[in-house]
Amino acid sequence: AQTVTQSQPEMSVQEAETVTLSCTYDTSENNYYLFWYKQPPSRQMILVIRQEAYKQQNATENRFSVNFQKAAKSFSLKISDSQLGDTAMYFCAFMIGGTSYGKLTFGQGTILTVHP
Amino acid sequence: GAGVSQSPSNKVTEKGKDVELRCDPISGHTALYWYRQSLGQGLEFLIYFQGNSAPDKSGLPSDRFSAERTGGSVSTLTIQRTQQEDSAVYLCASSSNGPLEQYFGPGTRLTVT
Repeated sequence: AQTVTQSQPEMSVQEAETVTLSCTYDTSENNYYLFWYKQPPSRQMILVIRQEAYKQQNATENRFSVNFQKAAKSFSLKISDSQLGDTAMYFCAFMIGGTSYGKLTFGQGTILTVHP
Repeated sequence: GAGVSQSPSNKVTEKGKDVELRCDPISGHTALYWYRQSLGQGLEFLIYFQGNSAPDKSGLPSDRFSAERTGGSVSTLTIQRTQQEDSAVYLCASSSNGPLEQYFGPGTRLTVT
């Protein structure tokens, strides 16, 4: 079974600063995907970024980037130039690859507050 | 275009009653997923549909939970004889070309009193 652990229940950052959210996972699979989802107060989960385990290059999406350390089974999210709209709960998630469907296994979440 | 919609947005029910939660996926999306978000268990997978069939029901917590999907579109999650531990936000997601981009709805918050 796969597990995903987010050890930071809450984080805060000043607007325009940089913040890093931590995530570790455990799996015996070699083919898998990792995700960061954002859940604002509206409750709607939004995909922030995705990383394929077979890719060594870290994924980036505008102000969002990841630090993927496969050997350490670590997958952190860095948010640069934080904005008030980044305030949300962030979930790290895992999906086994090579299957026709995608069951997501989520971490416990980190509440991020961006202060003006 | 329209995203995933779920109804009702909020539902309060008495313990022992049955409830039905509805999910309308994005038009054309063949895959549909149900997840549950609760304080005690976090976010957990419940069931997956490909078309009208459900190849993976492994996440359904008990036989009080069932789900169906008709016409490859709308899905209904039914909880019979609700218990207080069923209180949670029930999220639905859909995807089209493979599972890597799941689009989530706003969820239904279920409160069992």
